[in-house]
Amino acid sequence: EAQVTQNPRYLITVTGKKLTVTCSQNMNHEYMSWYRQDPGLGLRQIYYSMNVEVTDKGDVPEGYKVSRKEKRNFPLILESPSPNQTSLYFCASSSDRPRGNEQFFGPGTRLTVL
Amino acid sequence: KNQVEQSPQSLIILEGKNCTLQCNYTVSPFSNLRWYKQDTGRGPVSLTIMTFSENTKSNRRYTATLDADTKQSSLHITASQLSDSASYICVVSDTGRRALTFGSGTRLQVQP
Repeated sequence: EAQVTQNPRYLITVTGKKLTVTCSQNMNHEYMSWYRQDPGLGLRQIYYSMNVEVTDKGDVPEGYKVSRKEKRNFPLILESPSPNQTSLYFCASSSDRPRGNEQFFGPGTRLTVL
Repeated sequence: KNQVEQSPQSLIILEGKNCTLQCNYTVSPFSNLRWYKQDTGRGPVSLTIMTFSENTKSNRRYTATLDADTKQSSLHITASQLSDSASYICVVSDTGRRALTFGSGTRLQVQP
């Protein structure tokens, strides 16, 4: 089954404790992206990747890092999480730039930073 | 600045009734517009995509319209079902920027 998977689905952590949210897709997609979703604000792009070893900042990259060492994986790293990073995070992938191609979203990771 | 505004923010209707959700955008230059359905606790799923030249597109009980002149789109849901309860997100892309512009969504609740 074609899908985007994220882990963990739920995470409660404390300020300053490094964490990684994994994202994996099995559709051989070039384009992958991370979004955060907050009430009343809609989805906002954090980082995206056009292909292996190619990443770029989205609209809200501060406090986040990503890497794309393999085509199928695109982990999101929070080196020193803060409470304002409490949010619902989605990973997405598409065969090319999402402008004209459907993005497939993962199930989401709900992160709480205390 | 590119913006996508959706209305209403939330809507409650009875099962079997029709409803229309609105999306106004200021994204330029326009490339395409998508409507996504997002069930609670799940990732968004694409319902339909519309390009500049398309005025209407249907997907089962969902019909999207686009007026590129007034920069407005609507999503009409016919004969609503309980399973239509979800958030509906309007997403617009331009021809230049790499990112998409997301609306904040309309939360629809269909009651029996």
